[in-house]
Parts: sequence; structure tokens; C-alpha cells
Amino acid sequence: AQSVTQPDIHITVSEGASLELRCNYSYGATPYLFWYVQSPGQGLQLLLKYFSGDTLVQGIKGFEAEFKRSQSSFNLRKPSVHWSDAAEYFCAVGAIDYKLSFGAGTTVTVRA
Amino acid sequence: SAVISQKPSRDICQRGTSLTIQCQVDSQVTMMFWYRQQPGQSLTLIATANQGSEATYESGFVIDKFPISRPNLTFSTLTVSNMSPEDSSIYLCSVEVSTGLTYNEQFFGPGTRLTVL
Repeated sequence: AQSVTQPDIHITVSEGASLELRCNYSYGATPYLFWYVQSPGQGLQLLLKYFSGDTLVQGIKGFEAEFKRSQSSFNLRKPSVHWSDAAEYFCAVGAIDYKLSFGAGTTVTVRA
Repeated sequence: SAVISQKPSRDICQRGTSLTIQCQVDSQVTMMFWYRQQPGQSLTLIATANQGSEATYESGFVIDKFPISRPNLTFSTLTVSNMSPEDSSIYLCSVEVSTGLTYNEQFFGPGTRLTVL
């Protein structure tokens, strides 16, 4: 069975600073990896995904993520954070039957 | 992509009652999923609902507690039966959409915030 670990429960970052959210996965086959964002009171929005190919993937809102098979990681980054990036971020891994397993989430707080 | 709506958006219910949550998608989809997000926690898959077949439940979830209907390719309902305060959660539906790539994407509805008193 697949699983996802997000080591950081809460991160506080200054507006304009860079952001990196960590994600480690466990899956026996080719991983299908996702990052979702959940703003307060909202559903989940897909930021980016990795299926195959280039290990550095670009997403919406200026986010990118790098897949490192040797480290079983799929870390999310943004060079310059905006106040609107304050939200909950979930990393997920998809199995062959399209069931997603989510990490516990990382709450991002942006300070002015 | 897919646009998904859920009704109700939130509700406050009494212990022992049942609530049915509706999920409507703007296009025909094969697979729909129901998730639970307990307060301050991540999402947990409750069941997979395919049109024309019985829903498939994950470990820890049973049909008697969470009956699901999937009458057509654009609609599903999840009922939370005989509710207790422990059922207070956000319930989200999602749909699997073909992307033409090696894997499909899941799009999520806005969720139904349930509080049980």
C-alpha cells in the first residue's frame, strides 16, 4: 500500500521569501504524485502533478516540484511567496486504481 | 477538467439522524470518490462509486453507515447514517478525469462541512 509523509506540520514564511514543502512517499511501483492546495473553507485545487518524464514539474500559481526517485521525495517550491499562498498543502500519491493517499498536510502561514 | 458542486455546503445535525450529501459534476465520469476530512486532519478515502455497480468501501467504512448511490454518470450521493459527534467532518467528492496522459487527474468538489451535536 502506498503512503505519504509530510514532515512539516506548520511553516511560517515572510511574504516575498522562498518556500519549500517536503513530501516523501512510499509506493512499490511507478508513483503518480500530486500537490493540492486547500484554502480556508475551500475544496482542493490541483497545483501540479508528476507522472513521468522531466523530474522538475511546473504548476499553477508559480509553484514547482522536483521528483527524486532516489530519495522518494516530491518537494514543492515557490521562489517568492505571496500572502494569498497561505493555505493547507497536501501531497498525494496515486495508485494504479486511481485511489489517492494523502499526507497529513502542511499549513503555510505568510507574515507581512 | 470538471466542475463539481456539492449540496449542502454545510449542515448542523442532531445525533442519531442521517444526512444525504449530493455531488453533481458537469460532465460524464466513470469513477467518483468520497473522502472524509476530520477536523485538522488529512483526507481519507471512504469509497469508490462507479455507475452501475455497488460502491467499494475502504477499510474502516461500511455500507450501513455510509450508503452511496450512483444513479448516472454525473451524480452521486453519500448518506451519513445514525450520526454521532465523531462524524463531524468535511465530506468531499471527487471525480477522475482522463487527461490523455499515463494517469488521470482527480478534481474535487468544494466539500460539505458537517457538524453533529
